[in-house]
Amino acid sequence: AQKVTQAQTEISVVEKEDVTLDCVYETRDTTYYLFWYKQPPSGELVFLIRRNSFDEQNEISGRYSWNFQKSTSSFNFTITASQVVDSAVYFCALSEAWTGGGADGLTFGKGTHLIIQP
Amino acid sequence: NAGVTQTPKFQVLKTGQSMTLQCAQDMNHNSMYWYRQDPGMGLRLIYYSASEGTTDKGEVPNGYNVSRLNKREFSLRLESAAPSQTSVYFCASSDPGQGGRTGANVLTFGAGSRLTVL
Repeated sequence: AQKVTQAQTEISVVEKEDVTLDCVYETRDTTYYLFWYKQPPSGELVFLIRRNSFDEQNEISGRYSWNFQKSTSSFNFTITASQVVDSAVYFCALSEAWTGGGADGLTFGKGTHLIIQP
Repeated sequence: NAGVTQTPKFQVLKTGQSMTLQCAQDMNHNSMYWYRQDPGMGLRLIYYSASEGTTDKGEVPNGYNVSRLNKREFSLRLESAAPSQTSVYFCASSDPGQGGRTGANVLTFGAGSRLTVL
């Protein structure tokens, strides 16, 4: 069974600080996909990134970066120079490759509530 | 540019009442999902539909039924609502899998439906 753990329930930092959100996953599959979604106070879920299990390259998108390490089963998310607009709940999620058998859909972590104080 | 539309956005029910949450997507996606979000629990999959005419149970299906009416619409029904079903419900859809593997799909979520059962 697949599992995603986000040990940090809530993080509070002051604007412009860097912050890292941790994500640890468990799966028996060799092919799987990892995701991060953002849920701002308005409530909708916004896709941020997808990474497949064969691509361990780190990714940077503006102030956002992701560090994928299969050796530690982690897919951590760093925000550099945080801003108030980054305040949200962030979810890490896992999906095992599905070819017609077994369950479909994402398994989500419980989320990390990030508070950026001005 | 509607994406995934859920109705109603808010609903209050009394224990034992029934209701149906409606979901429609206009992106020609094959797969559709219903999740529930509870504080401290993340999002949990209730039911999913990999294609028109098929539905399968997710992690927490008890107390719910679904209908994939056509490719666009996927409804969630509570036959006899219970206070434990107080939650925010999200519908989502995703595009066809890469080479038949749906695990890579990026889910597009609706805005959510907040249900309170008294």
